[in-house]
Amino acid sequence: GAVVSQHPSWVICKSGTSVKIECRSLDFQATTMFWYRQFPKQSLMLMATSNEGSKATYEQGVEKDKFLINHASLTLSTLTVTSAHPEDSSFYICSAINPAGSYGYTFGSGTRLTVV
Amino acid sequence: GNSVTQMEGPVTLSEEAFLTINCTYTATGYPSLFWYVQYPGEGLQLLLKATKADDKGSNKGFEATYRKETTSFHLEKGSVQVSDSAVYFCALSAAEGGKLIFGQGTELSVKP
Repeated sequence: GAVVSQHPSWVICKSGTSVKIECRSLDFQATTMFWYRQFPKQSLMLMATSNEGSKATYEQGVEKDKFLINHASLTLSTLTVTSAHPEDSSFYICSAINPAGSYGYTFGSGTRLTVV
Repeated sequence: GNSVTQMEGPVTLSEEAFLTINCTYTATGYPSLFWYVQYPGEGLQLLLKATKADDKGSNKGFEATYRKETTSFHLEKGSVQVSDSAVYFCALSAAEGGKLIFGQGTELSVKP
């Protein structure tokens, strides 16, 4: 079946540094990927839609310069949290559309980011 | 805009009890509806889906029926198990390949 690999699964970084999270579709090509953020015991908040070969579409209120998204190939999208601060600590989840299945959204296992 | 509303949790049940988690939605047109499950520290797994009115999605003993007249997609299971303990999210997509809009999630805890 369709698999999305997200890496790392957890990361701790110092305030002011940048962190890159990778989202790979392992057995299919994903022209569109989505990045979500989830706070403890809360729902998923869509941050941006990532399209291969073009600029990401950010949701209202999401800082484009803070959360850099790159979708350079059909199997890889990356989210870089720049100049991270403690308030950026969260669970980040990616999702890819698997064109082989109708409405085939496949989710990564998530990345727990802690900024200290 | 489009939105999804779920019943608040946490929901605590004994093993073999009947489960209902309510989900209603607001959307223009004919969205597709989904239930996802999230186990602690993990991403989301698709539990079931329905793409048109009156469709019933089912998987692993869970069922939900797309009711357009009541704009609902309630999740049910006749006999829950401890292993069903997780957070359940109702979601909609207004268009195929479009973004998913999630409800707030309902935490289910099943006690032996």
